[in-house]
This record gives sequence, structure tokens and C-alpha cells, in this order.
Amino acid sequence: DTGVSQNPRHKITKRGQNVTFRCDPISEHNRLYWYRQTLGQGPEFLTYFQNEAQLEKSRLLSDRFSAERPKGSFSTLEIQRTEQGDSAMYLCASSFGSSGNTIYFGEGSWLTVV
Amino acid sequence: DAKTTQPNSMESNEEEPVHLPCNHSTISGTDYIHWYRQLPSQGPEYVIHGLTSNVNNRMASLAIAEDRKSSTLILHRATLRDAAVYYCILRDRSTNAGKSTFGDGTTLTVKP
Repeated sequence: DTGVSQNPRHKITKRGQNVTFRCDPISEHNRLYWYRQTLGQGPEFLTYFQNEAQLEKSRLLSDRFSAERPKGSFSTLEIQRTEQGDSAMYLCASSFGSSGNTIYFGEGSWLTVV
Repeated sequence: DAKTTQPNSMESNEEEPVHLPCNHSTISGTDYIHWYRQLPSQGPEYVIHGLTSNVNNRMASLAIAEDRKSSTLILHRATLRDAAVYYCILRDRSTNAGKSTFGDGTTLTVKP
């Protein structure tokens, strides 16, 4: 399977702990996106990278959130000092080429903060 | 970025056609119209996209209004597997912006 891969698929953590999610995009896709989705709502944009450069960040991405894509391939999204409001599905997507092109999503990483 | 509006829910009978509408009155000339669908506990899946002309693929058809302020996703024969949330979004091809705004989509229920 050469689609977007996300790990772990599920994570349960205690409030205050740090968590990290990894995303492996489709090979050769130069753009990578992170979205967050809560039940009953559509995905909300968090940030995106073109190669290794983080070009846009949402105001949703508080200072407890950090995303990296060090070599322009895989990406990590870290949430520090998790809060119950961080419970959501974190979606990664990738695309190739220009802005209008199709984005391909992974299956998401579910986070539950208890 | 331009936003889209869709009905919250729609119902269809199995093997009947389904027309899912989307309004995007503030669309710019460089926006592509994309449709995705999302099954429970999965990430969104690409369905179809277009710019000005109507488009067909193996999954669906996309009808785009002449003024491009609305579009309709057409499933020619709905199956139970088509029950999902359908999202219409705009993607601007002219800028370096990567963000696409998703609304809450249309939840399609298919009755046997």
C-alpha cells in the first residue's frame, strides 16, 4: 500500500503528557498537511509543509503543538502537556505539485486524553 | 479562503441516483472544486474535482454551474457503501496557500 500512513492509529494518554504522531506521505509528494477533526465536524486545517518548509499555520496550532518535516519526507506532530480538549482525530494528507491539486488523506490518528 | 455550504443531510434509496449540492458563491477564477467523502473512522477519500467543465470518473460525476457558484456531485446508482459524509471544498491553484476549508459536509444515508 503506497498511501499516506499514520502512526499510531490510536493513542490514549493522561492529561499533561506529551504525545507524538508520525505521518509518512505518499512517496514524492512535496506537500504535507495536518488537520484535526472532532466528532460531527469536518476536518480543521492545522498546518502544511512544502518540502521541509512549514509555510502556513492555523491559529488552532497553539504553542503546545509543534510539527516538523525535517527532511521533506515524513512529518511528526507533537502535542505537549495534553488537555482533554485535544481529544480528536489528527489527519495527515499529502499532495504533489501546485496548490490546486488533489490531497490524499491517511486514516488518521485518534487521540483520547483522559 | 473561499468557503462552501452544503445541506447537513440527505437520504437516498439504494440503486437510485443521488444529487449532492454545494454552494460556493465566493469562488475565484483559480479555485478548483473538489469533492471528498468520509466513511466512519476513516480519513476523507478523494472523489472527483473540476474547474469549469463537467467531469466524470468511475466513482461519480461533477456538474458545475455556468457561473461556477455552485456544483452538484452525482452518484448515478447509490449503494449502501456510498453512505458517508460528503465534503465539497475549494483549492486555489494560483497561490502557495495549502489550506482548504472543510465545512461539516452532507451526511448521506442510503436506504435499502
